[in-house]
Amino acid sequence: SQTIHQWPATLVQPVGSPLSLECTVEGTSNPNLYWYRQAAGRGLQLLFYSVGIGQISSEVPQNLSASRPQDRQFILSSKKLLLSDSGFYLCAWSTRDEQFFGPGTRLTVL
Amino acid sequence: EDQVTQSPEALRLQEGESSSLNCSYTVSGLRGLFWYRQDPGKGPEFLFTLYSAGEEKEKERLKATLTKKESFLHITAPKPEDSATYLCAVRETSGSRLTFGEGTQLTVNP
Repeated sequence: SQTIHQWPATLVQPVGSPLSLECTVEGTSNPNLYWYRQAAGRGLQLLFYSVGIGQISSEVPQNLSASRPQDRQFILSSKKLLLSDSGFYLCAWSTRDEQFFGPGTRLTVL
Repeated sequence: EDQVTQSPEALRLQEGESSSLNCSYTVSGLRGLFWYRQDPGKGPEFLFTLYSAGEEKEKERLKATLTKKESFLHITAPKPEDSATYLCAVRETSGSRLTFGEGTQLTVNP
């Protein structure tokens, strides 16, 4: 069966510091991978998606970036965090129509 | 642009009191409509995919239905453990991204 991991689970970072969130998927090959941000525990905003290694599409211009160095690894990064980057970050994978989500990372920028 | 509107924003029920959640959507061509359940501090959990008007899916106390403009999530005789936020999303035929609604926060009191 497929499993998706995200770490860390929670993170508190000062404004201006760098960020690296990691997502890995097990039990499937060549998945589409997605990064979402969820503010206030409601709707999800798609940030990036990837259909293969090194292929990244950005949905919203911002100070975040994403990379896919391996087939089942997706990384969300920032060189300098802003207060507005606080939120709940979710990684998801799909091979057909449905997307399956990881447990999320709660990021607080102070 | 795809749009998804969920109503009500919040719903409070007594245990055993059946009700329905609504998801209205606008999409150029529907590839699929998806329902998710999200518990506080966790990633969304996939529930159903609906592809065409008239289709229905059931899982325990939940039944999802689809028309050309909206979907309903019917909850029959709910229990307190059904309390969660229910998210609706659509995928259009020409893309891989999901567009999410803001969700309905359901509380079932014992």
